[in-house]
Formats: sequence, structure tokens, C-alpha cells
Amino acid sequence: GESVGLHLPTLSVQEGDNSIINCAYSNSASDYFIWYKQESGKGPQFIIDIRSNMDKRQGQRVTVLLNKTVKHLSLQIAATQPGDSAVYFCAEMGAAGNKLTFGGGTRVLVKP
Amino acid sequence: GAGVSQSPRYKVAKRGQDVALRCDPISGHVSLFWYQQALGQGPEFLTYFQNEAQLDKSGLPSDRFFAERPEGSVSTLKIQRTQQEDSAVYLCASSLVSGTGMAPLHFGNGTRLTVT
Repeated sequence: GESVGLHLPTLSVQEGDNSIINCAYSNSASDYFIWYKQESGKGPQFIIDIRSNMDKRQGQRVTVLLNKTVKHLSLQIAATQPGDSAVYFCAEMGAAGNKLTFGGGTRVLVKP
Repeated sequence: GAGVSQSPRYKVAKRGQDVALRCDPISGHVSLFWYQQALGQGPEFLTYFQNEAQLDKSGLPSDRFFAERPEGSVSTLKIQRTQQEDSAVYLCASSLVSGTGMAPLHFGNGTRLTVT
């Protein structure tokens, strides 16, 4: 079935270093991918998205890479800050509609 | 406010009680979604509205779950005869586009339901 999963459940990063969060997806028909950040007690917050016709997209301090050949998605955070500590989810949407399917999440802990 | 608003923020119900959870989407957003998030897990899709039409309810876990959006704006998720396994955070999200358009979902902060 359709699923989105993450390789690393917890990522510990030194403040100022770059972070890389990985995600594998199984539905080759997925057209749209989103990274969300979720802090404790809050809803998922949109970070960055990418469509299947792209392989890279950059935002402020974040970059998303999409490798459709191996169905892999990654989020790179530059100069990780304490405020980046949260759980990060990748989510995918198929071409058929608006249903987002989430993975299980990766917790990022930023050490001062 | 500019974001998705959900109420109540917390709800404690005794097993067997009915609950109603409210969602105010971002003004003008056509699409509205409900998700269920268990502790330590990613959100799981429950149902989707386009305006007032419920186009997908495939994620509702049982017929005790019912959602409505009668005027295409505010939505209510109702759970009848709550069970302990219903304990979770219920997230509402809205999106500007509909159909096969692709746009990010904007989430509220959820309602944490605890069934005792």
C-alpha cells in the first residue's frame, strides 16, 4: 500500500551544524511532497514542498531533494539552531487528490 | 486569526460519552481535512471536504465517527460512544485549492482527546 517512512527516528545535531533528514516513499505515483515540522503541543507546520517534476528546491536555510529513481526524499537544514528541535515529517500526495500520507517522523535534537 | 482554529484544545470524556470537536479553517480555503494523530506517530487521514461536500471518508475508523461541514466553512467531527482507543490528537487542516490542485495543508494545533 501507499506509505511514507523515515530512516532515522532520532537525530542529534550540534548547534551550527547541518542536519539531513531522510525519507523513503513507496508510491511511485506520488506527485507532491511536503516537509512538516511539529513542535510539542502544536500542529504540523509547513516547511517546504516539492513537486515530482523537480529534484531540488531551496528555502530559507532548508533544501529539499527528491530522487524519484530510488523514491527518496531528504530535508537539509543549514546551520541548525535550537529552535529547529522538533519532530519532522515528510508527507506525500498522489495525483488523484488531496490526501496527504505521513511518515512516522524523525525527532531532531539540537545540542548547544 | 489567520490560522486554522480548533476547539476545545483539550477534551476529557468518559467511555461511552459523545464528543464534538470544532474546526474553523482559514477563510476562503476550499478544502478541509481531519486527521488523527496517536502519540509518537504521524497524522492519519480521516476525512476530506471540498466546500460542504464530504468527498472522502475512507479514513474514519468506525461508524461512531461522523464529520460535517454544512456551510462549507466550519467543520465538526463527532465521535459517538467514545472508546479508550479513540484517545488521540485530532488535527484539522485546510487548503486553498481543490480537486487535483496541489497546495500545502495548513494545520491547526489540534484537540487532544482523552477517554477515561
